[in-house]
Amino acid sequence: QSALTQPAHMSGSPGQSITISCTGTSSDVGAYNLVSWYRQHPGTAPKVLIYEDNKRPSGISNRFSGSKSGNTASLTISGLRAEDEADYHCSSYAGGKTVVFGGGTKLTVL
Amino acid sequence: QVQLQESGPGLVKPSETLSLTCSVSGASINNYYWSWIRQPPGKGLEWIGCIYFNGDASYNPALKSRVSMSIDTSKTHFSVTLTSVSAADTAVYYCARGSITAVADWGRGTLVTVSS
Repeated sequence: QSALTQPAHMSGSPGQSITISCTGTSSDVGAYNLVSWYRQHPGTAPKVLIYEDNKRPSGISNRFSGSKSGNTASLTISGLRAEDEADYHCSSYAGGKTVVFGGGTKLTVL
Repeated sequence: QVQLQESGPGLVKPSETLSLTCSVSGASINNYYWSWIRQPPGKGLEWIGCIYFNGDASYNPALKSRVSMSIDTSKTHFSVTLTSVSAADTAVYYCARGSITAVADWGRGTLVTVSS
């Protein structure tokens, strides 16, 4: 069970859209519709943005959307705002009641 | 609104055992999965494992030989134990509600440092 692969750093300007990728294998991301995305501001706990590949919990802005193609899941943030500057983590069910996380992506809003 | 609070020693010596407890309030511990997740300083999240309210537990294969979890439904708390710790186990440890589908609710986290 290896960690999912995310870009370490990404950046964008206010108002732009940005897409963060999360690559796994046919045993995790590609096998189940159970990818989640979390946002984490410094010094705080993560907060779920997307679950089951593309579902948003109540209260999460529709600026956040999730998608998947094969073994790669993606989180798209539209209309970037200053408060979107944070770390973003993906996770996936990996079978056998286990979960694997990605290494995290640090997003900078320029 | 569920609230989770981690508790335990902030400093553990190498080769010793790390034990943390998560107190749950505002929701029943029944019918949910409860997880432990950790984050080494400056690094990403690592799933440690989860336990169902009936005591059925699953662990990260990389930690399976050293980790165990328990749950006390009557006292609304659950715990994690990690044996033979080393500096690599230094991390912020989070307890959380949820697991496979998503982790919806998180504690604030507690920093555990492994050092002599």
